[in-house]
Amino acid sequence: EPEVTQTPSHQVTQMGQEVILRCVPISNHLYFYWYRQILGQKVEFLVSFYNNEISEKSEIFDDQFSVERPDGSNFTLKIRSTKLEDSAMYFCASRDRNQEQYFGPGTRLTVT
Amino acid sequence: GIQVEQSPPDLILQEGANSTLRCNFSDSVNNLQWFHQNPWGQLINLFYIPSGTKQNGRLSATTVATERYSLLYISSSQTTDSGVYFCAPLRTYKYIFGTGTRLKVLA
Repeated sequence: EPEVTQTPSHQVTQMGQEVILRCVPISNHLYFYWYRQILGQKVEFLVSFYNNEISEKSEIFDDQFSVERPDGSNFTLKIRSTKLEDSAMYFCASRDRNQEQYFGPGTRLTVT
Repeated sequence: GIQVEQSPPDLILQEGANSTLRCNFSDSVNNLQWFHQNPWGQLINLFYIPSGTKQNGRLSATTVATERYSLLYISSSQTTDSGVYFCAPLRTYKYIFGTGTRLKVLA
């Protein structure tokens, strides 16, 4: 069964460094999403992406964040200058024209 | 924005017991999904249920969209059911997650 994959599973970085989180959505899906979950809290929407542009973004998704679909398979989230409070689990999700989204296993980001 | 409340926040069950988890939401939604977050942090799709009732093995879910709530039933619970259960109404194509119910099933 097709699934969303994410790499790396765990990333440790120092404050101020740039990180890129990678996702490979399900191949025929058209809509892509990033969510994040700070430890012990609920999952929060960050951004949605369709047709090579951002469809919607939350207040969390400020100028430090960017998304890109650099080729036909990858979908990336970049954090330009990480802060301690960016430490969280980041989930990628994708969907086709139906509404149901399929989530990847997540990348745990630890900022020290 | 839409508010999503889940109850109870924590639940401890003996293996074999049944339980009902509730999700209330404050506004109309396009759809609703239930997830199980396992101890490794993965989000597992359980049900995609805009209305009505669905069953999958020991789990079933009911959504009454007109009254803005959804229920998740777990029967004959097993230790592998432990984890956090989230409901997530879908609004303008993004999920709004509730705060979750943390379930622990004891052997």
